[in-house]
Amino acid sequence: ETGVTQSPTHLIKTRGQQVTLRCSSQSGHNTVSWYQQALGQGPQFIFQYYREEENGRGNFPPRFSGLQFPNYSSELNVNALELDDSALYLCASSIMGNEQYFGPGTRLTVT
Amino acid sequence: DQQVKQNSPSLSVQEGRISILNCDYTNSMFDYFLWYKKYPAEGPTFLISISSIKDKNEDGRFTVFLNKSAKHLSLHIVPSQPGDSAVYFCAASEDQGGSEKLVFGKGTKLTVNP
Repeated sequence: ETGVTQSPTHLIKTRGQQVTLRCSSQSGHNTVSWYQQALGQGPQFIFQYYREEENGRGNFPPRFSGLQFPNYSSELNVNALELDDSALYLCASSIMGNEQYFGPGTRLTVT
Repeated sequence: DQQVKQNSPSLSVQEGRISILNCDYTNSMFDYFLWYKKYPAEGPTFLISISSIKDKNEDGRFTVFLNKSAKHLSLHIVPSQPGDSAVYFCAASEDQGGSEKLVFGKGTKLTVNP
């Protein structure tokens, strides 16, 4: 059974640019959530997708957007990058009603 | 406003002894609680969970205790092993099962010394 995978592993972008992060959910999972983890903090919920529809959103501005595809993989897009967007971005998948399993994350650095 | 708090940033214990990690929460709507373990350069790994209708859940060396009236939970690891050294996150959810929005604490770094 393949776990949650994320790409790329690391990314460096310049302020004002746009970025797309990708996540492949664990086999059989229909729900994907995205979290942002800043240094020294716990992960913070960005949003969740269930069967290709947004199913909840945290306190993040609209320049954070996402998609879920029919195979339940997902993308996180961030527009107009700011320095404070530098963080570890974690994707987690689950079967609705069960615990979330996390991928290794994408480390984004904005300069 | 931090709804889930882990007040100890770090904890150091000797191999073979008990490790106790604590977590407090403020939101009475939380219905399900989870512990995740995180090694450097890896994502959080699910460890153990507990529903609000229970006060204890055991899985091998790991036991989670929930005190709803005090809005407090703890993770006990007995006996502690050097491989348990990691950052432990407490998380809470308003849904049974923890599949929806998780609210995390800041984590406690556990070091188990041989």
